[in-house]
Amino acid sequence: DIQMTQSPSSLSAFVGDRVTITCRASQTIVNFLNWYQQKPGKAPNLLIYGASTLQRGVPSRFSGSGSGTDFTLTIRGLQPEDFATYYCQQSYSSSLTFGGGTRVEIK
Amino acid sequence: QVQLHESGPRLVKPSETLSLTCSVSGGSINSYFWSWIRQPPGVGLEWIGSISDSGSTNYNPSLKSRLTISRDTSRNQFSLKLSSVTAADTATYFCARRRPYCDGVCFYVLDVWGQGTTVTVSS
Repeated sequence: DIQMTQSPSSLSAFVGDRVTITCRASQTIVNFLNWYQQKPGKAPNLLIYGASTLQRGVPSRFSGSGSGTDFTLTIRGLQPEDFATYYCQQSYSSSLTFGGGTRVEIK
Repeated sequence: QVQLHESGPRLVKPSETLSLTCSVSGGSINSYFWSWIRQPPGVGLEWIGSISDSGSTNYNPSLKSRLTISRDTSRNQFSLKLSSVTAADTATYFCARRRPYCDGVCFYVLDVWGQGTTVTVSS
C-alpha cells in the first residue's frame, strides 16, 4: 500500500491567515492526488484533484501544488467556513489511501 | 443530481457480519465505480473497497479476507458485508461514487458521498 503522511495533524489560525498543509506519499504518485474537506458530522467534500485542479464551485482561495511524493494544500485568506479537517488521498494505486488528516481550528 | 444513501443495522454483535446497503438515485451504478469508506470515531478515513460498473471488485488488503462488496443493478444498489467484526470495526461507514475526471489524463475522484451511517460493534 502507498502510505500518505500529512502534516501538521492540527493547526490553529486566524481568519484571514494563509494556511499550508503538506502531504507526502511513500512512493511517487505523479500527480494523482486529491484533497477533501470534512466538517464535523458530514461526509468529505472534494476540493482539488490532480494535485492542483480545483473542483467546480470551490473558492479560488484554495490551491494545490506538488508532484511525485510531496504535495501542498494552501488556503489564502482563511474564512470562518474553512475551519474543518482536510485529507489528502492518492488515486495512483487502485488501492486508495488517505492521509491522516489536518484539523484547522480557530485561533 | 446523484444522491447516495446508506442503510443497515446500527448495532452489530462481535463475531457477526456487518451488512450495509447504498442506494443510488439520480444515476446508474452501471456507470463508474462505487466505493465504501469508513471512519472510526475521532480518526481518519479508511478506504474499504470498490465495485466497478462491470461488477469487478477491489478490496483493501487489510480487510480482504472478511469483505464482500456486491451490487444489485435492478435496485440500483450496492452492498457491503464485513464478517467476524470486532470493536475495531466500529465506525461511520460512507458510500461514495468514484469517477474519472479526464483532460488528456484521467484523475479518479470520490465526488459524491452518502451522509454516512454509524455502526457500533458491541454485545
